[in-house]
Amino acid sequence: GAVVSQHPSWVICKSGTSVKIECRSLDFQATTMFWYRQFPKKSLMLMATSNEGSKATYEQGVEKDKFLINHASLTLSTLTVTSAHPEDSSFYICSARPAGELTGELFFGEGSRLTVL
Amino acid sequence: AQTVTQSQPEMSVQEAETVTLSCTYDTSESDYYLFWYKQPPSRQMILVIRQEAYKQQNATENRFSVNFQKAAKSFSLKISDSQLGDAAMYFCAYDRGSNSGYALNFGKGTSLLVTP
Repeated sequence: GAVVSQHPSWVICKSGTSVKIECRSLDFQATTMFWYRQFPKKSLMLMATSNEGSKATYEQGVEKDKFLINHASLTLSTLTVTSAHPEDSSFYICSARPAGELTGELFFGEGSRLTVL
Repeated sequence: AQTVTQSQPEMSVQEAETVTLSCTYDTSESDYYLFWYKQPPSRQMILVIRQEAYKQQNATENRFSVNFQKAAKSFSLKISDSQLGDAAMYFCAYDRGSNSGYALNFGKGTSLLVTP
């Protein structure tokens, strides 16, 4: 199956700093990637849809100025948590499907655990 | 809103036995996709099985099968001959379609425990 890779897999930062998480599709091109957030023992909540070459589409209630998403190429999307605070601590997961496949299986990255001190 | 409901927070099954995980969903669409994903302790999401709503035949993947009842908006997962490696969180998901960028909406999950 297609492979999606996230980096870093875990990160610890101080409150007030910014953290960037990368999501790469390794063996396919993705015009759309999705960023999810997962709290411990909870479901995956969609944060935003990342569109290559255009602005991301954010879900209601997600602060676009805090969670900056950039999808500069067909294989890379980045999520930057700006001015991170302890409440931003969570597990962030990206996903994608090959370009041209509008529906069907979503391939997920390994996730990135963010801890804000 | 297209919601996905999993009413069983936890389920337990003995090795080699069969277990069924429940899922219901709400939609006004007639054509859509449904999925079951597995999330083991590693947190990596793995596709278990998927169903296209226009197909009446229930999907099957080896020991995993679904009971898709479109009129009832029910999509349960049956795991036969359960194995220790099946222990994980199982999420039911609905494809939101073109109006929502084809993202998936997930249920709250069911934690499956497999006992020897």
